[in-house]
Amino acid sequence: DTAVSQTPKYLVTQMGNDKSIKCEQNLGHDTMYWYKQDSKKFLKIMFSYNNKELIINETVPNRFSPKSPDKAHLNLHINSLELGDSAVYFCASSDLTGTGANVLTFGAGSRLTVL
Amino acid sequence: AQRVTQPEKLLSVFKGAPVELKCNYSYSGSPELFWYVQYSRQRLQLLLRHISRESIKGFTADLNKGETSFHLKKPFAQEEDSAMYYCALRTGYSTLTFGKGTMLLVSP
Repeated sequence: DTAVSQTPKYLVTQMGNDKSIKCEQNLGHDTMYWYKQDSKKFLKIMFSYNNKELIINETVPNRFSPKSPDKAHLNLHINSLELGDSAVYFCASSDLTGTGANVLTFGAGSRLTVL
Repeated sequence: AQRVTQPEKLLSVFKGAPVELKCNYSYSGSPELFWYVQYSRQRLQLLLRHISRESIKGFTADLNKGETSFHLKKPFAQEEDSAMYYCALRTGYSTLTFGKGTMLLVSP
């Protein structure tokens, strides 16, 4: 069983479109994240949700809107896509407390290409 | 400001040579540091964390608060160690700040 699964794995779309990436974790973790990895492989936190509540919202354009329907899911919706949004988006999960605190389990990534 | 610096973008060594991937951090609180690894076509995964003080796949890392460093070391590199390595610092309640990563290439 995949612990953190993201769909789609690849997404190619035109500028100006709206798209979503979905993420699900079956680890029972209470916190989920979205990270962006750019073309230089630099990883940057975008959002973090703990038990469906937003706890981190880094400086990200408001075209990006995360949604957490329950603590096992964190989706990322992007409006009016721009060329600079092309990247690999990683979902991750962890617990905030306990021995596994802040040990992130990552999804396989979703490669977004905006043409 | 919290910062994680990995000064080398690429480190190329021969099989059997010692490896040291450098990581320096800047943080005013009590640091918690990690190394994550991303092998080719695989997802990013935890390699080790400083509080565990363990050796994983022959790698070790010691937190040096005086030098604010958490360098990753292995005495004898193997070809299968070739990967992207990220140093990460816990900087807040649930925030991991990653360095820019170092690509390790181990040649036969």
